[in-house]
Formats: sequence, C-alpha cells, structure tokens
Amino acid sequence: GAVVSQHPSRVICKSGTSVKIECRSLDFQATTMFWYRQFPKQSLMLMATSNEGSKATYEQGVEKDKFLINHASLTLSTLTVTSAHPEDSSFYICSASPGGKYTEAFFGQGTRLTVV
Amino acid sequence: GENVEQHPSTLSVQEGDSAVIKCTYSDSASNYFPWYKQELGKRPQLIIDIRSNVGEKKDQRIAVTLNKTAKHFSLHITETQPEDSAVYFCAASGGSSNTGKLIFGQGTTLQVKP
Repeated sequence: GAVVSQHPSRVICKSGTSVKIECRSLDFQATTMFWYRQFPKQSLMLMATSNEGSKATYEQGVEKDKFLINHASLTLSTLTVTSAHPEDSSFYICSASPGGKYTEAFFGQGTRLTVV
Repeated sequence: GENVEQHPSTLSVQEGDSAVIKCTYSDSASNYFPWYKQELGKRPQLIIDIRSNVGEKKDQRIAVTLNKTAKHFSLHITETQPEDSAVYFCAASGGSSNTGKLIFGQGTTLQVKP
C-alpha cells in the first residue's frame, strides 16, 4: 500500500519560536496533501489543503500566516507553525492519496507538538 | 461545506455484543465514506470504507451501510472483543470540493467490557 511518512513524531518548542513538520509520500506522487489538527479527546479537524506548486487552501478560521504550508515537490509538503504559543500544542497529522476519483487517504504518523 | 455528525460519543458494550455507530453527512455530492479506528497518539487506521455506488459492505465482523437518500451511514461491529476498544471516526469525502479531503465526525469512544 501507499506510505506517508511524517517527521518529527514529537517536538517541544519554546513559545515564540517556529516549528516545521514534514510530510512525505514515499511511494507515490501527491499533487494534493491535507493537514489536520487534533486536540486531546477531539476529532481531526481539517486545517488546509496543500497543493503542489501553488498556494495552499485554508479552512475557515485557520490563520494562513501562522500555519505556513509549502508543497514544493510531488512528494513533500511542509507545515510551519510560526510564533508558536501554548494553545498551538496539538497533534498535527497529514494525509495524501495516490489519486483517482475514489481514493483511500494515507496518513502520516502524526506530530505531537508541545509549546512551553 | 460538508458537515458530518456522529453518534453516540461514547458506547459501552459487553464482550460478544454488537456495537453500532451512526453518522450523517450534509453534502449530497460526497461519494466516499471511510471508518477509522484510532488508538491514543497514533494515526487513524482505516477499518472499512464504502463508496456511494453500494449500500452495504462487510468484512468479517465489521459492516458498513449507506443510505444516500437519508445521507447517513453506519458502522456495525458484531461479536465485539476487548481489543475493539478504541476511538472510532467516520468521515465523508469527495463532495463538491475535493476527493481525498476528509471531513470527520466527532468520534465515538467504544469500550468493550470483558
């Protein structure tokens, strides 16, 4: 099956710093990837759609200047949490699909971000 | 945009009993409905999915039904076992916006008591 790899799995950063999370599709090309955020005991909330070679599409309420998304190649999307604050602490997870009209989503391992 | 509602939020059953989780969706253009099992701190794991061109799908103890007219779909787990205890999420995709883009339900915490 398709493999999506996400790094790092855990990161602790100081308030005010930026953190970059990588999402790679290892055995397929993905023109589109998706970023989700999951707070404890809550559901996965779609943050944005990452589009290869163009700007990301953000969901309502998600600050595009705070959550920078770059999809520079067909196998890599990055999410940068800028000027992180404790309320940004969450589980961030990406997904990608090989494509087609009907397609299963493959998830990365997720990144547990803790801002202290 | 798409909105997915999931019920119940918690479900406790005795080992061997059946468990049913229900979801409704709002976008009639959605055409793909996966169900995920998620353990704490892990990525969601696909357990079964259904496309809009079928009404029911079964895989051993797990089955999913889809009613397109009513815009709802359900997960059925029979002969539950303690290892089925986890959080389950339904999702909908492929609506008027984008395939692969999943909108999740709120989740159901299933507890199977030995």
